[in-house]
Amino acid sequence: NAGVTQTPKFQVLKTGQSMTLQCAQDMNHEYMSWYRQDPGMGLRLIHYSVGAGITDQGEVPNGYNVSRSTTEDFPLRLLSAAPSQTSVYFCASSRDRGMNTEAFFGQGTRLTVV
Amino acid sequence: AQSVTQPDIHITVSEGASLELRCNYSYGATPYLFWYVQSPGQGLQLLLKYFSGDTLVQGIKGFEAEFKRSQSSFNLRKPSVHWSDAAEYFCAVDSGGGADGLTFGKGTHLIIQP
Repeated sequence: NAGVTQTPKFQVLKTGQSMTLQCAQDMNHEYMSWYRQDPGMGLRLIHYSVGAGITDQGEVPNGYNVSRSTTEDFPLRLLSAAPSQTSVYFCASSRDRGMNTEAFFGQGTRLTVV
Repeated sequence: AQSVTQPDIHITVSEGASLELRCNYSYGATPYLFWYVQSPGQGLQLLLKYFSGDTLVQGIKGFEAEFKRSQSSFNLRKPSVHWSDAAEYFCAVDSGGGADGLTFGKGTHLIIQP
C-alpha cells in the first residue's frame, strides 16, 4: 500500500517564486491536512479538508492556498514564497474523526526558500 | 484551546535502560491522545493512542502509555530501550481523532547511549 505520498521530497525556491506541494492518498480517506514542522515548534496545522470540495484554515494558513477537487489529492500552493516558509511540510489523512480512527502521515517535503 | 506540553526537549538514556517521556495536555473534555515517533528524515508513525477505557495502553515497538486524568498527563514508557529507538517523539491531542485536528507538543529528542 502506498498510503500518503508527497512530492517532491526536497525543494529549493527563490523568494517570490510559486510552487505546489503535492499530496495523494490511496486509502479513500475523507479527511486530509497539511502541517508544517519547524525546529522546537512541533507540527502546526496549515489547512485541512473534510471531503472533496471542502477546505478550511488551520493554525498557520497565511501564505498558503489549498483545494480539494478529488478525494485522493490535496495540493498545497505557495503563491509567493518567503524565507519564513522554509520548513518541513507533512500531509496527513484519516478515514474520519472519532474513536478508532488514525491519521497517516506522508514522508514530508523539505522546503528551503532563499 | 487545546494544548500539549512536552517538558523535555532532549533525553539521553543508555541502551537497555528504561524510558519515560512526559506529556501534559490541556483540553476541556475527554481528549483523544496520541504518541507519534519520527525517525530521522522520515514521516510520523503512530505508536499508540488513547480514546477511552483502560488508562494503560499498549503500542507498537514495546511502548506503553498511561492516561492520568487527575494529572492531565499521558506519559510514554518503555522498559528497555534499543539503539533503534533514537528518534523524535511527539505527543498530540485531538478532539476527534482525525487528521484535521491534531495539536502537537514540541517534541522530545531521544538519544541512546551505547
